Amino acid sequence: ETGVTQSPTHLIKTRGQQVTLRCSSQSGHNTVSWYQQALGQGPQFIFQYYREEENGRGNFPPRFSGLQFPNYSSELNVNALELDDSALYLCASSLAGQISGNTIYFGEGSWLTVV
Amino acid sequence: EDQVTQSPEALRLQEGESSSLNCSYTVSGLRGLFWYRQDPGKGPEFLFTLYSAGEEKEKERLKATLTKKESFLHITAPKPEDSATYLCAAGSGNTPLVFGKGTRLSVIA
Repeated sequence: ETGVTQSPTHLIKTRGQQVTLRCSSQSGHNTVSWYQQALGQGPQFIFQYYREEENGRGNFPPRFSGLQFPNYSSELNVNALELDDSALYLCASSLAGQISGNTIYFGEGSWLTVV
Repeated sequence: EDQVTQSPEALRLQEGESSSLNCSYTVSGLRGLFWYRQDPGKGPEFLFTLYSAGEEKEKERLKATLTKKESFLHITAPKPEDSATYLCAAGSGNTPLVFGKGTRLSVIA
């Protein structure tokens, strides 16, 4: 158990809808990053938040957005859902604001299916 | 462009049959090389972080090693419960972690 919790665990949405995924980071961790993992692929970096500011973003369109709250929990929002957005969405937490070099610890993920 | 390649894609072993998984990386200024285990439908579970060439770390039947171009995950006398997908990731500078596609390991009793 890493202490990183995500909700919901599974959800089904219709193309064009919007979705919000939530993450509570491990105690003491101030950095949260989000990843998308399609079936048979490795996780792909979406973005990272440090002290409530986005401080890194992968190759994802603006309809993927996020927030980090003062307690370091975070949300991932996806607007105008497309079928290709169907994937496992992973939240990871770590210490400090560096994007890499620090070990990140993952939650169990949120399975999103877009129909 | 930073890149991580894992091989083989899938590996089937008999219980007790030792083997190695490979992770080749091309990154500028490696800050850390990470190994994770992922069970079906679950999030990746952290195994090891390696920081410099020549470094080795062990945990039960697993041993990770690092050179300047690749990392190996050695599995000694595996058991069926070691069956999972093993992911490798490389971190460099201020760029995000780059993951490989993983190696699916099946250990047959």
